[in-house]
Amino acid sequence: GAGVSQSPSNKVTEKGKDVELRCDPISGHTALYWYRQSLGQGLEFLIYFQGNSAPDKSGLPSDRFSAERTGGSVSTLTIQRTQQEDSAVYLCASSRPGREETQYFGPGTRLLVL
Amino acid sequence: GEDVEQSLFLSVREGDSSVINCTYTDSSSTYLYWYKQEPGAGLQLLTYIFSNMDMKQDQRLTVLLNKKDKHLSLRIADTQTGDSAIYFCAHDTGRRALTFGSGTRLQVQP
Repeated sequence: GAGVSQSPSNKVTEKGKDVELRCDPISGHTALYWYRQSLGQGLEFLIYFQGNSAPDKSGLPSDRFSAERTGGSVSTLTIQRTQQEDSAVYLCASSRPGREETQYFGPGTRLLVL
Repeated sequence: GEDVEQSLFLSVREGDSSVINCTYTDSSSTYLYWYKQEPGAGLQLLTYIFSNMDMKQDQRLTVLLNKKDKHLSLRIADTQTGDSAIYFCAHDTGRRALTFGSGTRLQVQP
Protein backbone atom coordinates (compact mmCIF):
# COMPACT_ATOMS: atom_id res chain seq x y z
CA GLY A 1 0.00 0.00 0.00
CA ALA A 2 0.90 3.65 -0.25
CA GLY A 3 1.32 4.16 3.47
CA VAL A 4 1.15 2.54 6.87
CA SER A 5 -2.36 1.36 7.61
CA GLN A 6 -3.90 0.53 10.96
CA SER A 7 -7.13 -1.11 11.99
CA PRO A 8 -9.52 -0.54 13.51
CA SER A 9 -9.46 3.23 13.38
CA ASN A 10 -11.55 3.38 16.55
CA LYS A 11 -12.17 0.80 19.25
CA VAL A 12 -14.43 1.07 22.26
CA THR A 13 -14.19 -1.73 24.80
CA GLU A 14 -15.16 -2.51 28.33
CA LYS A 15 -12.67 -2.64 31.15
CA GLY A 16 -11.25 -6.15 31.51
CA LYS A 17 -11.67 -7.16 27.87
CA ASP A 18 -8.79 -7.98 25.54
CA VAL A 19 -8.17 -5.96 22.38
CA GLU A 20 -6.05 -6.50 19.27
CA LEU A 21 -4.75 -3.65 17.16
CA ARG A 22 -3.33 -4.26 13.72
CA CYS A 23 -0.62 -2.50 11.74
CA ASP A 24 0.28 -3.01 8.08
CA PRO A 25 3.63 -1.36 7.39
CA ILE A 26 4.77 0.00 4.05
CA SER A 27 5.84 -2.85 1.80
CA GLY A 28 9.57 -3.48 2.06
CA HIS A 29 9.97 -1.71 5.38
CA THR A 30 11.82 -3.95 7.79
CA ALA A 31 11.53 -1.83 10.92
CA LEU A 32 8.19 -1.44 12.71
CA TYR A 33 7.42 0.60 15.81
CA TRP A 34 4.45 0.95 18.14
CA TYR A 35 3.86 4.15 20.09
CA ARG A 36 1.10 5.32 22.38
CA GLN A 37 -0.24 8.85 22.52
CA SER A 38 -2.31 9.69 25.56
CA LEU A 39 -4.57 12.73 25.58
CA GLY A 40 -2.52 15.94 25.46
CA GLN A 41 0.75 14.03 25.61
CA GLY A 42 3.58 13.28 23.28
CA LEU A 43 4.22 9.83 21.95
CA GLU A 44 5.47 7.09 24.20
CA PHE A 45 7.55 4.30 22.66
CA LEU A 46 6.18 0.80 23.23
CA ILE A 47 7.99 -1.77 21.09
CA TYR A 48 10.31 -1.98 18.08
CA PHE A 49 10.74 -4.79 15.55
CA GLN A 50 13.70 -4.93 13.16
CA GLY A 51 13.74 -7.73 10.63
CA ASN A 52 14.15 -11.11 12.26
CA SER A 53 15.90 -9.78 15.34
CA ALA A 54 14.38 -10.09 18.79
CA PRO A 55 12.06 -7.13 19.37
CA ASP A 56 12.91 -4.32 21.76
CA LYS A 57 10.06 -4.51 24.26
CA SER A 58 11.54 -2.07 26.73
CA GLY A 59 8.71 0.43 26.34
CA LEU A 60 5.81 -1.88 27.11
CA PRO A 61 4.13 -0.49 30.25
CA SER A 62 3.03 -3.81 31.74
CA ASP A 63 2.84 -7.53 31.01
CA ARG A 64 -0.71 -7.00 29.79
CA PHE A 65 0.80 -5.59 26.61
CA SER A 66 2.34 -7.80 23.94
CA ALA A 67 3.03 -7.56 20.23
CA GLU A 68 3.82 -9.92 17.42
CA ARG A 69 5.04 -9.44 13.92
CA THR A 70 4.28 -12.27 11.53
CA GLY A 71 6.31 -12.91 8.42
CA GLY A 72 8.25 -9.72 8.91
CA SER A 73 5.27 -7.65 7.86
CA VAL A 74 1.94 -7.25 9.68
CA SER A 75 2.06 -6.60 13.41
CA THR A 76 -0.57 -7.05 16.09
CA LEU A 77 -0.51 -5.24 19.43
CA THR A 78 -2.55 -7.05 22.07
CA ILE A 79 -3.72 -5.52 25.33
CA GLN A 80 -5.13 -8.01 27.80
CA ARG A 81 -7.57 -7.13 30.60
CA THR A 82 -7.80 -3.53 29.45
CA GLN A 83 -7.87 -0.73 32.00
CA GLN A 84 -9.22 2.78 31.64
CA GLU A 85 -5.69 4.19 31.66
CA ASP A 86 -5.02 2.22 28.46
CA SER A 87 -7.29 4.66 26.61
CA ALA A 88 -5.08 6.41 24.05
CA VAL A 89 -4.23 6.58 20.37
CA TYR A 90 -1.93 3.73 19.38
CA LEU A 91 0.33 4.66 16.50
CA CYS A 92 2.38 2.38 14.31
CA ALA A 93 5.34 3.47 12.21
CA SER A 94 7.70 1.75 9.79
CA SER A 95 11.00 2.54 8.15
CA ARG A 96 12.99 0.99 5.38
CA PRO A 97 16.38 -0.72 5.54
CA GLY A 98 19.23 1.72 5.74
CA ARG A 99 16.90 4.65 6.34
CA GLU A 100 15.67 3.89 9.82
CA GLU A 101 15.92 7.58 10.62
CA THR A 102 12.79 8.21 8.58
CA GLN A 103 9.75 6.73 10.25
CA TYR A 104 6.40 6.85 8.49
CA PHE A 105 3.37 6.83 10.75
CA GLY A 106 -0.05 5.33 10.29
CA PRO A 107 -3.27 7.17 11.22
CA GLY A 108 -3.51 5.38 14.55
CA THR A 109 -6.14 3.41 16.43
CA ARG A 110 -8.10 5.41 18.97
CA LEU A 111 -8.85 3.10 21.93
CA LEU A 112 -11.42 3.99 24.55
CA VAL A 113 -11.79 1.73 27.56
CA LEU A 114 -15.04 2.28 29.44
CA GLY B 1 12.14 15.95 34.21
CA GLU B 2 11.03 15.64 30.62
CA ASP B 3 13.62 14.50 28.10
CA VAL B 4 12.19 16.74 25.37
CA GLU B 5 10.40 19.95 26.26
CA GLN B 6 8.24 22.22 24.15
CA SER B 7 5.95 25.10 24.89
CA LEU B 8 2.31 24.09 24.71
CA PHE B 9 0.82 26.79 22.54
CA LEU B 10 1.71 29.39 19.92
CA SER B 11 -0.61 31.80 18.19
CA VAL B 12 0.39 33.81 15.13
CA ARG B 13 -1.32 35.83 12.43
CA GLU B 14 -1.51 34.56 8.88
CA GLY B 15 1.52 35.72 6.90
CA ASP B 16 3.75 36.08 9.96
CA SER B 17 6.62 33.75 10.77
CA SER B 18 6.17 31.08 13.44
CA VAL B 19 9.02 29.83 15.59
CA ILE B 20 8.50 26.67 17.60
CA ASN B 21 11.18 25.82 20.13
CA CYS B 22 12.34 22.57 21.68
CA THR B 23 14.96 21.64 24.24
CA TYR B 24 16.28 18.17 24.89
CA THR B 25 18.63 16.50 27.32
CA ASP B 26 20.09 13.53 25.41
CA SER B 27 23.18 14.67 23.54
CA SER B 28 23.77 11.30 21.87
CA SER B 29 21.05 11.72 19.24
CA THR B 30 21.98 11.28 15.61
CA TYR B 31 18.89 12.89 14.13
CA LEU B 32 16.35 15.41 15.39
CA TYR B 33 12.91 15.68 13.87
CA TRP B 34 9.87 17.82 13.46
CA TYR B 35 6.52 16.12 12.98
CA LYS B 36 3.14 17.71 12.26
CA GLN B 37 -0.16 16.30 13.49
CA GLU B 38 -3.42 17.68 12.17
CA PRO B 39 -6.69 16.99 14.04
CA GLY B 40 -7.67 13.34 13.86
CA ALA B 41 -4.68 12.48 11.69
CA GLY B 42 -1.45 10.60 12.16
CA LEU B 43 1.98 12.12 12.32
CA GLN B 44 3.53 13.61 9.23
CA LEU B 45 7.30 13.95 9.07
CA LEU B 46 8.04 17.55 8.16
CA THR B 47 11.79 17.61 8.27
CA TYR B 48 14.78 16.31 10.14
CA ILE B 49 18.32 17.44 10.76
CA PHE B 50 21.48 15.45 11.25
CA SER B 51 23.15 16.23 14.55
CA ASN B 52 26.34 17.58 12.98
CA MET B 53 24.43 20.28 11.11
CA ASP B 54 23.31 23.57 12.58
CA MET B 55 20.76 24.61 9.98
CA LYS B 56 18.54 23.07 7.36
CA GLN B 57 16.17 24.89 5.06
CA ASP B 58 13.33 23.30 3.14
CA GLN B 59 11.02 25.74 1.34
CA ARG B 60 9.13 27.62 4.08
CA LEU B 61 10.72 25.59 6.85
CA THR B 62 14.00 26.39 8.57
CA VAL B 63 15.42 24.16 11.28
CA LEU B 64 18.09 25.50 13.61
CA LEU B 65 20.08 23.25 15.91
CA ASN B 66 22.26 24.47 18.76
CA LYS B 67 23.96 21.35 20.07
CA LYS B 68 25.78 23.16 22.82
CA ASP B 69 22.52 24.40 24.32
CA LYS B 70 20.55 21.33 23.19
CA HIS B 71 18.04 23.58 21.51
CA LEU B 72 16.13 22.88 18.31
CA SER B 73 13.77 25.27 16.57
CA LEU B 74 11.41 25.20 13.61
CA ARG B 75 10.66 28.40 11.76
CA ILE B 76 7.71 28.49 9.39
CA ALA B 77 7.81 31.47 7.05
CA ASP B 78 4.61 33.08 5.77
CA THR B 79 2.45 30.96 8.07
CA GLN B 80 -0.88 29.89 6.57
CA THR B 81 -4.10 28.71 8.19
CA GLY B 82 -3.30 25.24 6.86
CA ASP B 83 -0.26 25.22 9.10
CA SER B 84 -2.51 25.08 12.17
CA ALA B 85 -1.66 21.79 13.85
CA ILE B 86 0.34 20.28 16.68
CA TYR B 87 4.08 20.19 16.06
CA PHE B 88 6.22 17.58 17.76
CA CYS B 89 9.94 17.70 18.26
CA ALA B 90 11.64 14.29 18.50
CA HIS B 91 15.04 12.71 18.57
CA ASP B 92 16.28 9.21 18.01
CA THR B 93 17.71 6.99 20.69
CA GLY B 94 20.24 4.23 20.46
CA ARG B 95 17.47 1.72 19.91
CA ARG B 96 16.10 3.64 16.90
CA ALA B 97 12.82 4.49 18.56
CA LEU B 98 12.02 8.17 18.84
CA THR B 99 11.53 10.22 21.96
CA PHE B 100 8.92 12.92 21.49
CA GLY B 101 8.09 16.16 23.18
CA SER B 102 4.49 16.76 24.23
CA GLY B 103 3.82 18.96 21.22
CA THR B 104 3.19 22.64 20.50
CA ARG B 105 -0.23 23.63 19.27
CA LEU B 106 0.10 26.26 16.55
CA GLN B 107 -2.94 28.41 15.96
CA VAL B 108 -2.91 30.62 12.88
CA GLN B 109 -5.35 33.50 12.96
CA PRO B 110 -6.62 34.94 9.66
